[in-house]
Amino acid sequence: EVQLVESGGGLVQPGRSLRLSCSTSGFTFGDYAMTWVRQAPGKGLEWVGFIRSKTYGSRTDCAASVQGRFTISRDDSRSIVYLQMNSLKTEDTAVYYCTRDQLLWFGEFTYYYYMDVWGKGTTVTVSS
Amino acid sequence: QPVLTQSSSASASLGSSVKLTCTLSSGHSNSIIAWHQQQPGKAPRHLMQVEGSGSYKKGSGVPDRFSGSSSGADRYLTISNLQSEDEADYYCETWGSNTQVFGGGTKLTVL
Repeated sequence: EVQLVESGGGLVQPGRSLRLSCSTSGFTFGDYAMTWVRQAPGKGLEWVGFIRSKTYGSRTDCAASVQGRFTISRDDSRSIVYLQMNSLKTEDTAVYYCTRDQLLWFGEFTYYYYMDVWGKGTTVTVSS
Repeated sequence: QPVLTQSSSASASLGSSVKLTCTLSSGHSNSIIAWHQQQPGKAPRHLMQVEGSGSYKKGSGVPDRFSGSSSGADRYLTISNLQSEDEADYYCETWGSNTQVFGGGTKLTVL
């Protein structure tokens, strides 16, 4: 069974740092891109960023709202993806989910990623 | 990057059918999208992905009552024989310009 389990959430003061982990099992982790998504209280889903598989250089992309503050990394030997969050702001308060991404190719140059498995999430509260 | 537009709410009666719409922005009408369901207090769950051709592929364990289709820039999620557990928020998601994007979500109420 494919499982994603987030951890590392909690209460943190503005300006501080926090690192979230997403431990995975039930699939060949190294073959997949992984994404972080967040959901502020009472709001919709917001893409935070993602990391491609090693085949594609483990390149990352992040949303403009977290660019320069958040970093995504992966440890393929341990099947874990991380979200390092620095300079946290009150507006970063949310439930953070990790997802597994599928990659679909259409022809030689067109491709899409979509999320096909979700974790249960971990809550981050940024408050003084 | 693409923009996805969804109606904020929808409602339908128990046992009836409902069709939710996700509209892709100009220039992205051929894009594939994924539908995700979020029941109250739970994490989202992937339902299916829908291509511009109208073909769709469901995730494991998704009931037969759920189906997908498309027309132009619109991608649809149809739920037949509505059950109480279908009351949830439904989000569409797509990829473009090295970014993943969500629609604003549709809150489905089962009457």
